[in-house]
Amino acid sequence: SQQGEEDPQALSIQEGENATMNCSYKTSINNLQWYRQNSGRGLVHLILIRSNEREKHSGRLRVTLDTSKKSSSLLITASRAADTASYFCATDHVSQKLVFGQGTRLTINP
Amino acid sequence: DTEVTQTPKHLVMGMTNKKSLKCEQHMGHRAMYWYKQKAKKPPELMFVYSYEKLSINESVPSRFSPECPNSSLLNLHLHALQPEDSALYLCASRKAEQGRYGYTFGSGTRLTVV
Repeated sequence: SQQGEEDPQALSIQEGENATMNCSYKTSINNLQWYRQNSGRGLVHLILIRSNEREKHSGRLRVTLDTSKKSSSLLITASRAADTASYFCATDHVSQKLVFGQGTRLTINP
Repeated sequence: DTEVTQTPKHLVMGMTNKKSLKCEQHMGHRAMYWYKQKAKKPPELMFVYSYEKLSINESVPSRFSPECPNSSLLNLHLHALQPEDSALYLCASRKAEQGRYGYTFGSGTRLTVV
């Protein structure tokens, strides 16, 4: 299976703290993407990092990619209650497949 | 229009029923996808259409039949489903130039098979 691993599976922090999620994958990729999903509804695309990039920022999001270790991390700074959701990494392959990791359930406590 | 619209939002069907899920986008995306997601699990790829042609079928049982009538519309026809097919079915699309853009997902159809 091409599916990757994410850790932690669940994360609970206080509002204002930073949240870090990690993702590992198995095969070569075109890019790696992060998505957010609220309450089992549709996924929202957050950020894309290409295989030749090492770090990318978007607002309060910071993504890193280490292709030698086949791993990525997502950092959300200054968390808010509205950030409570499930976060998935997804690897985009030449085969046209977008393959999701297992996901991290993030809870922000007020 | 920057959305993928899925209908219906909820569907309950019996094991002998025939129903269809519909997905529509008007962003000019030429790749469209069906995913299945069980509770507390990641989405799993079912089908990929590229330029209205089926390019990937992830060994999905024939009781699921996809159709892409035009570049804006994607259907998933359902027949003789099993209770274990109950899940959230997600449609997604992306620009043809793979590798540079994220995917746009619909809000899904929550299917219950009774």
